[in-house]
Amino acid sequence: QVQLVQSGDEVKKPGASVKVSCKASGYTFTKYGISWVRQAPGQGLEWMGWISTYNANTEYAQRLRGRVAMTTDTSTSTAYMELRSLRSDDTAVYYCARDGLSGLDAFNIWGQGTMVTVSS
Amino acid sequence: LPVLTQPPSASALLGASIKLTCTLSSEHRTYTIEWYQQRPGRSPQYVMKVKSDGSHTKGDGIPDRFVGSSSGADRYLTFSNVQSDDEATYYCGESHTIDGRVGYVFGTGTEVTVV
Repeated sequence: QVQLVQSGDEVKKPGASVKVSCKASGYTFTKYGISWVRQAPGQGLEWMGWISTYNANTEYAQRLRGRVAMTTDTSTSTAYMELRSLRSDDTAVYYCARDGLSGLDAFNIWGQGTMVTVSS
Repeated sequence: LPVLTQPPSASALLGASIKLTCTLSSEHRTYTIEWYQQRPGRSPQYVMKVKSDGSHTKGDGIPDRFVGSSSGADRYLTFSNVQSDDEATYYCGESHTIDGRVGYVFGTGTEVTVV
């Protein structure tokens, strides 16, 4: 079946970086884009950015530009999200979601989420 | 930035109907929105896309009792014969382009309780 499987939970210190993976299966990876969305504990959803799996074009949320990078490996149908210079308020569950190929569309398949805890 | 306004909470009797509202900021009143359902402790799930003309496109596996509609700047998600499984937080979201840059914004969500 169509699914996105994410890497395991992470604990990082302030100032470090984290890289979360999202492996797709059950569909042609390069026919859809991937968006990343995060959710701080007890809070709502925040869109972080999008990547085209076809040409690696990206769009990032303004407040994260300069700290976030999204990439893909089409040979393994895997998307990656790296967040640098971590702060305590980056503590959240991070989700990948299947999206439009040429731009933002509906996030119609979601990964199971990866908890990233930033703590000294 | 565009703003999507949602009431923080709503309740429905088991077996009754409930209508959730997502209000777009005035300059985006013609935009299409998406609805997502997030049950406690679970990942969000795509429910449907609702256009300004009220037409809607559901995600795979979404029951017929979920219907989308629209009026002016308001987008609605109505579900009938409410089940205990419908207890969740429902988010609306909208994509937009500002100064040539693409972005996406979510509403703050409506937490639905089934009584």
